[in-house]
Amino acid sequence: EAQVTQNPRYLITVTGKKLTVTCSQNMNHEYMSWYRQDPGLGLRQIYYSMNVEVTDKGDVPEGYKVSRKEKRNFPLILESPSPNQTSLYFCASKVKGLSSYEQYFGPGTRLTVT
Amino acid sequence: AQSVAQPEDQVNVAEGNPLTVKCTYSVSGNPYLFWYVQYPNRGLQFLLKYITGDNLVKGSYGFEAEFNKSQTSFHLKKPSALVSDSALYFCAVRDGGSSNTGKLIFGQGTTLQVKP
Repeated sequence: EAQVTQNPRYLITVTGKKLTVTCSQNMNHEYMSWYRQDPGLGLRQIYYSMNVEVTDKGDVPEGYKVSRKEKRNFPLILESPSPNQTSLYFCASKVKGLSSYEQYFGPGTRLTVT
Repeated sequence: AQSVAQPEDQVNVAEGNPLTVKCTYSVSGNPYLFWYVQYPNRGLQFLLKYITGDNLVKGSYGFEAEFNKSQTSFHLKKPSALVSDSALYFCAVRDGGSSNTGKLIFGQGTTLQVKP
């Protein structure tokens, strides 16, 4: 089954404790992206990647890092989480190119930073 | 700057009645518009898109959307609502200003509540 998976689905952590949220897709998509969802704000893009070893900042990259060492994986790293990073996070992927429109989203990771 | 607005936080409708979820947009060029649905504890699912062509586009689960260029709107519609349609709906526009970044700009989301 074509899908985007994220782990963990739920995470409660404390301020300053480094964490990684994994994202993996099995559709051989070049493009991958991370969004955060906050009430009243919709989804905002954190980082995106056009292909292996190619990443770039989205609208809200502060406090986050990403890497793209393999095509299928795009982990989101919070080196020193803070309470304002408490949010619902979604990973998405799609085929690269202007003619490709549909993005496939993972199930989400709900992060709480205390 | 590109933006999307969903003016209603929540829409309530009785089962069997038609539903409309509103969306307006602002883009500098031709808009690429999308609707996604989010069921509880699930990721976003693609419903439909408008790229070019007919102003009325049909999507999954009986939903359709009407593109209105003069009103810069892209309202989601369904002729007869089901209780199972209750979910959070997002309108989104493709960021054409950054060409191939693929970024979607989302509205705030509208909760649709369909009562039996």
